[in-house]
Amino acid sequence: QVRMQESGPGLVKPSQTLSLTCSVSGAAASGASIRSGGYYWTWIRQHPGKGPEWIGNIYYSGSTYYNPSLKSRVTISVDTSKNQFSLQMTSVTAADTAIYYCARLVSNNWFDPWGQGTRVTVSS
Amino acid sequence: VLTQSPATLSLSPGERASLSCRASQSVSNFLAWYQHKPGQAPRLLIYDASNRATGIPARFSGSGSGRDFTLTISSLEPEDFGLYYCQQRTNWPPTYSFGQGTILETK
Repeated sequence: QVRMQESGPGLVKPSQTLSLTCSVSGAAASGASIRSGGYYWTWIRQHPGKGPEWIGNIYYSGSTYYNPSLKSRVTISVDTSKNQFSLQMTSVTAADTAIYYCARLVSNNWFDPWGQGTRVTVSS
Repeated sequence: VLTQSPATLSLSPGERASLSCRASQSVSNFLAWYQHKPGQAPRLLIYDASNRATGIPARFSGSGSGRDFTLTISSLEPEDFGLYYCQQRTNWPPTYSFGQGTILETK
């Protein structure tokens, strides 16, 4: 079984950088090892009352795909030694207030599993 | 763009639920369904339009291809009430989008 856990500050000031980390745990045979390849690793967010919004994916090699609407402000990185991947979003505004989820991308098509999510509020 | 309907579906346990998801252009069978309950991680139900994910009960089924897709719950259990989202993948470069969701609530 693969488990995903998001962590990071719950409050970020406007114009600053949002930084979150996703820790992946579980048996390597179940696809929990980032360095083993075979999966992309994903950040998704959800604004209150809206459907989820895909932010971007990363492979263990560092290869990334980003949502074009967020690409200029987003960087996703990976640390295979810690089995973690991270999200940085610059110049945040109140519009970036959301619940942020990490997930594993399976067969390049669907997301499974997801983390519980972490709520991030952008406010001074 | 994915459009889900209805926005809210009010049914009783034991009834049949049909949730719709329409894509603005063909997505082949690159469509997934998720269940989401407050405070929990979203759960994959159906992938590739009609395949049940591991551990998902047989009362959940998916159908459709191209632009129109349906998630059917044959006989609602109390734990089935919550939010449901569909999700698509565009071909290249890969991008992903979700519908706005259907709330399945107890009547």
